[in-house]
Amino acid sequence: AQSVTQLDSQVPVFEEAPVELRCNYSSSVSVYLFWYVQYPNQGLQLLLKYLSGSTLVESINGFEAEFNKSQTSFHLRKPSVHISDTAEYFCAVERTGGFKTIFGAGTRLFVKA
Amino acid sequence: DVKVTQSSRYLVKRTGEKVFLECVQDMDHENMFWYRQDPGLGLRLIYFSYDVKMKEKGDIPEGYSVSREKKERFSLILESASTNQTSMYLCASSSTGTAMNTEAFFGQGTRLTVV
Repeated sequence: AQSVTQLDSQVPVFEEAPVELRCNYSSSVSVYLFWYVQYPNQGLQLLLKYLSGSTLVESINGFEAEFNKSQTSFHLRKPSVHISDTAEYFCAVERTGGFKTIFGAGTRLFVKA
Repeated sequence: DVKVTQSSRYLVKRTGEKVFLECVQDMDHENMFWYRQDPGLGLRLIYFSYDVKMKEKGDIPEGYSVSREKKERFSLILESASTNQTSMYLCASSSTGTAMNTEAFFGQGTRLTVV
């Protein structure tokens, strides 16, 4: 079975500061890894995903995440955040070849002016 | 664009009522899911379906049932609503295909309050 731990429930940060949202996973088999974002009063949408190949994956709005197999981590980073990045971020894992996604508890990112 | 549509954004029901939450997707996805979202607990899987008339229990199926009579529609049923089922309910769909297709598409959510 797979599990996901998001190490921070809330992360407050000032605008233009860097941010890291931490995610660790547990699995005995190979997995796909995802970050989803949920803006206020909306459903979740995919931010980025790791399937295979390069361990660094990027989103179109400046976020990136690095798959670290030895540390079983998939931390999300952005070098300079904007007010519009305020949202809840969910790390998720799916067994390779499976279709059931397991989500972490979520991290609320608050970007302050 | 993939669209997953949930029939209601907000619902208020009384304890003991039978409640139906409807979800429709327009991308011919094989897989559909119902999650509930509670603060500090993330998304917990209630039920999922990988084909018409097929259903599998998720992590918290107690008090819920589902129906999938057509590929595009997946219904969540609360047989007798209770106050501890007050929550945000999220429907999602995904395709069983290549690895590149493996992501879930979500509806806007239904915030259910049971009084």
